[in-house]
Amino acid sequence: QKEVEQNSGPLSVPEGAIASLNCTYSDRGSQSFFWYRQYSGKSPELIMSIYSNGDKEDGRFTAQLNKASQYVSLLIRDSQPSDSATYLCAVNDGSNYQLIWGAGTKLIIKP
Amino acid sequence: DTAVSQTPKYLVTQMGNDKSIKCEQNLGHDTMYWYKQDSKKFLKIMFSYNNKELIINETVPNRFSPKSPDKAHLNLHINSLELGDSAVYFCASSPTIGAGDGYTFGSGTRLTVV
Repeated sequence: QKEVEQNSGPLSVPEGAIASLNCTYSDRGSQSFFWYRQYSGKSPELIMSIYSNGDKEDGRFTAQLNKASQYVSLLIRDSQPSDSATYLCAVNDGSNYQLIWGAGTKLIIKP
Repeated sequence: DTAVSQTPKYLVTQMGNDKSIKCEQNLGHDTMYWYKQDSKKFLKIMFSYNNKELIINETVPNRFSPKSPDKAHLNLHINSLELGDSAVYFCASSPTIGAGDGYTFGSGTRLTVV
């Protein structure tokens, strides 16, 4: 069974600090990795994608990928209350036409 | 606006009824999906179509039947609704079949069966 594991949280971070969200995956054939943000009552929204080892930065967001350790992370710098949401990690199934989803980490940014 | 749009946004119905949810995307994507998100927020894939062809058919009751009249539309029909069908149903699309580009989600349909 291919799996994506995330700590469900909630992860509480003070405003202005760095929020660090982690995800591990089991399928070594996976090549595409995604972070989605889901506000309560809303649909998931793609915020970062990463395809190769290392860091990828987009504004306050940095995705990190380590394929050897099968580990993906998302860093949010200068966290804002508007970043409070559930963050879903998704990984493509290397042998199938779909994404494998984590259960999500609930992030709370405290003013 | 380019988007994935679903209707209706809310659906409250009695057990035993039959209902449909419609989805349309104007992104020019080839692949469309139906997902179910339960109360624990876990996203579970139900079906996927690529250019009107069914490619993923997960283990869901056969009361659920998808239909794709063209690659821009994917509808979901549910027969004999049960209490356990209550959930949020998301339609999504991706540019290609391999899910390598991520998905764009519709706004969801909150189904409540009473």
